[in-house]
Amino acid sequence: DQQVKQNSPSLSVQEGRISILNCDYTNSMFDYFLWYKKYPAEGPTFLISISSIKDKNEDGRFTVFLNKSAKHLSLHIVPSQPGDSAVYFCAASEASNFGNEKLTFGTGTRLTIIP
Amino acid sequence: GAVVSQHPSWVICKSGTSVKIECRSLDFQATTMFWYRQFPKQSLMLMATSNEGSKATYEQGVEKDKFLINHASLTLSTLTVTSAHPEDSSFYICSAPLDRVRANYGYTFGSGTRLTVV
Repeated sequence: DQQVKQNSPSLSVQEGRISILNCDYTNSMFDYFLWYKKYPAEGPTFLISISSIKDKNEDGRFTVFLNKSAKHLSLHIVPSQPGDSAVYFCAASEASNFGNEKLTFGTGTRLTIIP
Repeated sequence: GAVVSQHPSWVICKSGTSVKIECRSLDFQATTMFWYRQFPKQSLMLMATSNEGSKATYEQGVEKDKFLINHASLTLSTLTVTSAHPEDSSFYICSAPLDRVRANYGYTFGSGTRLTVV
C-alpha cells in the first residue's frame, strides 16, 4: 500500500521556467512533509519541508505548498536551472515521540531541465 | 551541520558471504537510525529502525535474521547482510532524525552503499 504517491515518474521543463512536482498521500496522520533531491548512487539531499500547521513554505527558489483537505503537496522550483535535474522524492512522517519518526517516501519524479 | 558517514560506498561480494555496512554520526548523537533500501528506479523503502541500546524494529517482510542491525553506541549503527544472495543486490541508505527545532532539516542521510552480490 503506497501511502505517498508521486504520479508523474518524469517531468521535463525548459530552463528558466517553473517546475511543479506533485505528491499525494493517503495517511491522515502524516503531519510533516519533506522534499528530497537525489542523484544516482548518492543519498538524498534535503530541500525543503513543511509542517501540517502551514500551507506554504518558501526557501529561495523552492516553495512547497500543502493542501491538507486534498492530501496533496507540491514543490515549485522557479526559475528552473540545469543543475536541478535529478530525481525528487517527497516524504512524510507521523507525529510521534521525537527521534522515532520514520519517513515514508513517494516513488520519485525524475526532473529534467532542458537548456 | 549534522553528517552521517556511511561506508563502504560500494561493495561486491560472493553469494553466501556476509557484508557489513556502517553508518556513523559525525557531530551529533544518533539515538535512532533508519535503514532504507532502494531498488533501481523505485522508492526508498524502510527496512528497519534501530535504537541505541535496544533491538531494532523491522518492517513487515524484512527478515531480521538476514539483515542484522546493531546500534551499540550513539554514533554508530551497522547493518550486516548475512548469507547474501543476488536478490539482495540493492542500494542501502541510512538516515538519522534531527531535532526539528534546532535544525529544520528533519533527517540527514548517509551517502548510500551499492551492494552487488555475484
